[in-house]
Amino acid sequence: SSELTQDPAVSVALGQTVRITCQGDSLRTYYATWYQQKPGQAPALIIYGKNNRPSGIPDRFSASYSGNTTSLTITAAQAEDEADYYCNSRDSRDSSGYHVVFGGGTRLTVL
Amino acid sequence: QVQLVQSGAEVKKPGASVKVSCKASGYTFTNYYMHWVRQAPGQGLEWMGIINPTGGSTSYAQKFQGRVTMTRDASTSIVYMDLSSLTSEDTAVYYCARDRAVAGIGDFQNWGQGTLVIVSS
Repeated sequence: SSELTQDPAVSVALGQTVRITCQGDSLRTYYATWYQQKPGQAPALIIYGKNNRPSGIPDRFSASYSGNTTSLTITAAQAEDEADYYCNSRDSRDSSGYHVVFGGGTRLTVL
Repeated sequence: QVQLVQSGAEVKKPGASVKVSCKASGYTFTNYYMHWVRQAPGQGLEWMGIINPTGGSTSYAQKFQGRVTMTRDASTSIVYMDLSSLTSEDTAVYYCARDRAVAGIGDFQNWGQGTLVIVSS
């Protein structure tokens, strides 16, 4: 089981805003990273750190934090945003500081 | 540009071992940690472990301790992941993934294309 918890599935109407959450104790210590994965493809990093987007990632993707929860917000969702979304972070249970943990993933459907 | 190119698909019998390679290019190999992540069919991402390409030190997820070995060849910029005592539950796509930042851990900016490992009798 993941130590980062995500809702398995979320849906959003085209053009509306959706929030995908990721919860876990590690997030009290470390920032999360968000990935988007489309069928048959490797994951792609979309948010890292407090709220940073790599070059090429649209600004409709953003992240926020509250306690042990981080939320990925997609503003004005597009059809191409339909994908699986994963969070990960360093694992605060590991004393070495090198371990990483993933959330179970959220399947986003754009209606 | 950064590229991670993995070895091809494998079919293995239960009890066997598999060794997957990941050749890095487009950056200084020893500057960034490398990770292995796997994804079983229809399932989520699972972190397996990390290797420091500079000295070869490793740290593995507890689930894989004793069964996984990660190594690297700095002369050819290749990292390897060896998984032994395979069972059908090891059937998955295995990815190598590079950290985004020097000395950073957990932001996987670059991914290999994935290597499908099928374990079947």
